[in-house]
Amino acid sequence: KAGVTQTPRYLIKTRGQQVTLSCSPISGHRSVSWYQQTPGQGLQFLFEYFSETQRNKGNFPGRFSGRQFSNSRSEMNVSTLELGDSALYLCASSPGTAGPNEKLFFGSGTQLSVL
Amino acid sequence: SQKIEQNSEALNIQEGKTATLTCNYTNYSPAYLQWYRQDPGRGPVFLLLIRENEKEKRKERLKVTFDTTLKQSLFHITASQPADSATYLCALWLYSSASKIIFGSGTRLSIRP
Repeated sequence: KAGVTQTPRYLIKTRGQQVTLSCSPISGHRSVSWYQQTPGQGLQFLFEYFSETQRNKGNFPGRFSGRQFSNSRSEMNVSTLELGDSALYLCASSPGTAGPNEKLFFGSGTQLSVL
Repeated sequence: SQKIEQNSEALNIQEGKTATLTCNYTNYSPAYLQWYRQDPGRGPVFLLLIRENEKEKRKERLKVTFDTTLKQSLFHITASQPADSATYLCALWLYSSASKIIFGSGTRLSIRP
């Protein structure tokens, strides 16, 4: 089975722009979650989608949003970029049916730099 | 406030020794605790999961303990090898109306030959 695929791998944007990141989960997985990783804050949960519905949400401003399509692929959007949004954005997939009893399969991430 | 702390930012040990990493938490009631390994430029990789009613879990050279009284998990790598060098993250799944996962900041482990 192919792993979790995130595109693009690297992205450079300027302040005020918006960005869309893409994640293709492992085939058969219905849950996709997104995380922001920075040296200062570590790995922080953004949100989780299951069967096209946002199931859980972390403590991030409304500029961060996402969606999931019927084929379970997910996109994350950040509007009005700020310098502090520079981070590695990771996507993880899981079957989504066993709650906390599931391991997460992570992609390699999208490294976003905001100038 | 709610916190997860991993014992140190970096740990250096000699090959062949046992590496012990610590994950402490406060003000959480976790349902499950997971450990992940992360290599530079890659996403975390799942290693082990332990439930709140389990004391210990093993997988090959890895062992995890979970003490809900001390609010602490210990992660051991026995017979450590240079290939074990990586950052190790603990993650708590919390009981709440919606499942939520909280990650520790990680410990960078270096195994010297």
